[in-house]
This record gives sequence, structure tokens and C-alpha cells, in this order.
Amino acid sequence: GAGVSQSPRYKVAKRGQDVALRCDPISGHVSLFWYQQALGQGPEFLTYFQNEAQLDKSGLPSDRFFAERPEGSVSTLKIQRTQQEDSAVYLCASSRTGGTDSPLHFGNGTRLTVT
Amino acid sequence: AQSVAQPEDQVNVAEGNPLTVKCTYSVSGNPYLFWYVQYPNRGLQFLLKYITGDNLVKGSYGFEAEFNKSQTSFHLKKPSALVSDSALYFCAVRDYNFNKFYFGSGTKLNVKP
Repeated sequence: GAGVSQSPRYKVAKRGQDVALRCDPISGHVSLFWYQQALGQGPEFLTYFQNEAQLDKSGLPSDRFFAERPEGSVSTLKIQRTQQEDSAVYLCASSRTGGTDSPLHFGNGTRLTVT
Repeated sequence: AQSVAQPEDQVNVAEGNPLTVKCTYSVSGNPYLFWYVQYPNRGLQFLLKYITGDNLVKGSYGFEAEFNKSQTSFHLKKPSALVSDSALYFCAVRDYNFNKFYFGSGTKLNVKP
């Protein structure tokens, strides 16, 4: 398909485990975003890449969260030593350019449950 | 700081009736406004955007939105609701630095047959 693909769709982790969430953006899309969506809430910004450069990581909640996009395409969001408050849906989105009129195209998300 | 507010957690409407989902915004600079829809266990889907130009913006699935600068509002509308429109709707504003979208808390739309 031509959409944004995220894997896994569901992840259950025991508290203290490390997890890695993958995002395959739409081919050719320059910008890539990670958002965190808690139950019943709107998405909250985590971080933003333009190609391989991470231009904004101000939304990452702690230094346990780390994101990379080494070749300007696939991105991975890593959470170390997971805590229960990390339980949420993690959404990846891409856009064709960094321009203001370029909408986001979202994947279906990864639902992380920390037990 | 940029922000949006969706004052209604839920909107109920009968099929065939017009619907409105409200959104107000607060921005520094020009507002870049978007509406997204989310179905259960899915990501958000783009509906429409306002960047500049006509205050009435038309989008996907028969939806439209009216930009009102004096009231700082960007309400989503549809002349005739369908049961299949039932979903969660999010208003968003894009930061003038281009790299962040700020989303509202969402409005659940229930369209009853």
C-alpha cells in the first residue's frame, strides 16, 4: 500500500523492558512526526524529522525516549525501561514537504501497553 | 503559543440533519488550520485545511469548514449527516515554524439512523 505503515500494531511490555516501534513513511515524504495519543485524548507531539535530521525533539517526555531516522526514510522510536505511564498509542505521520499547507498522513499506530 | 479547543466532547445528530463540530484556536501569526477524522483503532485521516483565501473550505466526504477570524473559530460542517460519519474528529493548528501540529481533545460524533 501507499500509506504510512507502523509495526507492531500492538505491543505488550513488562515494566522495565525496552521497546522499539517502527514507522515506514510514504515514499518520498520529507517530514516525519511521532505523536503520543493517550486514551480519550488528542495526539501530543513527540518529535519531528526533516529527512534524516531530527529538528525538534521537545515533546519527548524523558531521556528514556529516543527516535532516529538514519537514512531519511524508516524511523524507529525507542523507549527504554518502560513505565506504566508510557502506555498509549504511538502514531507516526509523514508529510510531503515541511510547508505549512502540507497535511499529515498518519499510520494506524502502535498500541503500547506496559504491565 | 498555539492551541485549539474543542468545547464539545460529543455531538449527537440524526441522519440527514446538518452537523456542526466546533473548534476555536489561539495562534500567534497566521493560522494554519486542519480537520482530521479518526475511526476506531485507526490513525487520523486528513479531511480539510485552511491556509489562506476563502473562508469556506471544502474537503473530503462532503465536509466543509468555515474560518472566522474575528471569532477565532474553524467549525466543521456537513449539510446532511450519514451514519458512517460517526467517528472522532480532531481540529489542529500547525505551528508557524511548520514542525508541530497541535491537536484539540477531539469530539465524538454520533449520527443516529
